[in-house]
Amino acid sequence: GESVGLHLPTLSVQEDDNSIINCAYSNSASDYFIWYKQESGKGPQFIIDIRSNMDKRQGQRVTVLLNKTVKHLSLQIAATQPGDSAVYFCLSGGYQKVTFGTGTKLQVIP
Amino acid sequence: GAGVSQSPSNKVTEKGKDVELRCDPISGHTALYWYRQSLGQGLEFLIYFQGNSAPDKSGLPSDRFSAERTGGSVSTLTIQRTQQEDSAVYLCASSARGMLSTDTQYFGPGTRLTVL
Repeated sequence: GESVGLHLPTLSVQEDDNSIINCAYSNSASDYFIWYKQESGKGPQFIIDIRSNMDKRQGQRVTVLLNKTVKHLSLQIAATQPGDSAVYFCLSGGYQKVTFGTGTKLQVIP
Repeated sequence: GAGVSQSPSNKVTEKGKDVELRCDPISGHTALYWYRQSLGQGLEFLIYFQGNSAPDKSGLPSDRFSAERTGGSVSTLTIQRTQQEDSAVYLCASSARGMLSTDTQYFGPGTRLTVL
């Protein structure tokens, strides 16, 4: 596997606003994508996944959008809460290979 | 077990010493992964085990790093002659089938290594 982007951008949003976190992946053979949330001092936690035969998948307050044409993945969080503050990053899985997208630090302003 | 566990949670060592980090994957999970996360940065893949074998060691940063997995369960990551740049959080993950393209990886809490 490889990691893409080692410098974390920061997204600041007001509480109750919607958040959109983006991820660009490079492996065109990727067919499975996962969003993880990592709170300070903890290991990454699974949020939602999507397969390459889908463009959109919804969970509880979260939606993942996949654009295979431009190799772009996004995570939308509705009504962002202070507890959503964390680093978010995507994983793209292809044959015998995993690639991590650039992590994004989400800061929720009360 | 209920989740992936790692030990120790924190390790402080002196430059030049060897350290061993342990990972207990979720019971029954075939695949095990080691990653490194430096302060404020993303995840760096180190090594991946399918059962007891390691089909992908491409991420190990130097020959000072080695890992083994015995009995298809517990894994140890060993860093010899530690250097200050080895300071990081070392994360372990496991997945059920070991199919990188479709498996969800479940992460442990990490071991924070500090090399003085």
